[in-house]
Amino acid sequence: AQTVTQSQPEMSVQEAETVTLSCTYDTSESNYYLFWYKQPPSRQMILVIRQEAYKQQNATENRFSVNFQKAAKSFSLKISDSQLGDTAMYFCASFLRDYKLSFGAGTTVTVRA
Amino acid sequence: KAGVTQTPRYLIKTRGQQVTLSCSPISGHRSVSWYQQTPGQGLQFLFEYFSETQRNKGNFPGRFSGRQFSNSRSEMNVSTLELGDSALYLCASSKDSYGYTFGSGTRLTVV
Repeated sequence: AQTVTQSQPEMSVQEAETVTLSCTYDTSESNYYLFWYKQPPSRQMILVIRQEAYKQQNATENRFSVNFQKAAKSFSLKISDSQLGDTAMYFCASFLRDYKLSFGAGTTVTVRA
Repeated sequence: KAGVTQTPRYLIKTRGQQVTLSCSPISGHRSVSWYQQTPGQGLQFLFEYFSETQRNKGNFPGRFSGRQFSNSRSEMNVSTLELGDSALYLCASSKDSYGYTFGSGTRLTVV
C-alpha cells in the first residue's frame, strides 16, 4: 500500500512571507507522480503542482515550487509571497499505476494579514 | 470549459435508505474516480472507471458501488446507509490519469 505522510497538521504564515509544507511517501516503484492539492473552505480540491518522478528538475508554478528528493522520498511544497487567498488545507498525494491517488492527512495553512 | 459537475451538492438521508450520486466529467475525460472525505479518515479512494470499466476499487464494503456510462458520466450508489457514511464525496476526472480535476463534491448527511 502506498503511504503518504504529512507531519504538520497546521502552519501559520504572515502575508508576503514564505512557508514550506513537508511530505514524505513510501513506494517501491520507480515511476510515479506526486501532487499537491489545495482545498479552500469552498471544499473544491484544486491542483497546485505536479511532479513526475522520472524528472529530476523540481516543478514550479508561479509562487509554488517543490523540493523533490527521490532518494529520501520527500516532496515538500514552498509557497512564496503568501497571499490571503492561499489560506486552505493542502494535501500531498501520490499516483502509481493502480489508478488511484493516495493522500496525506493534510496541512491547514493560515495566512495572516 | 466546464469543470467536473457533481449533483446534488447536499443530501440528507435516513439510515437504511440508499442514495445515488452523479458526476459529469470534463468533456474528453474518460477516467473518473470517486473519493470519500471525512474528518476522521481523511480522503479515501472508492473506485476508478475508464471507458465503463472499473480498473480499481478501494477498501469499502459492497454497499458502495459505482458505474460509468458510455458518455463517461459516472454514478455511485450507497445502499443501506449507515451514520458513518456521512461524508463529502468527491469525484475527479482525468484525460490521461496523471492529472485529476475534482468537482465540488456532494455533502451527504445520514440521520
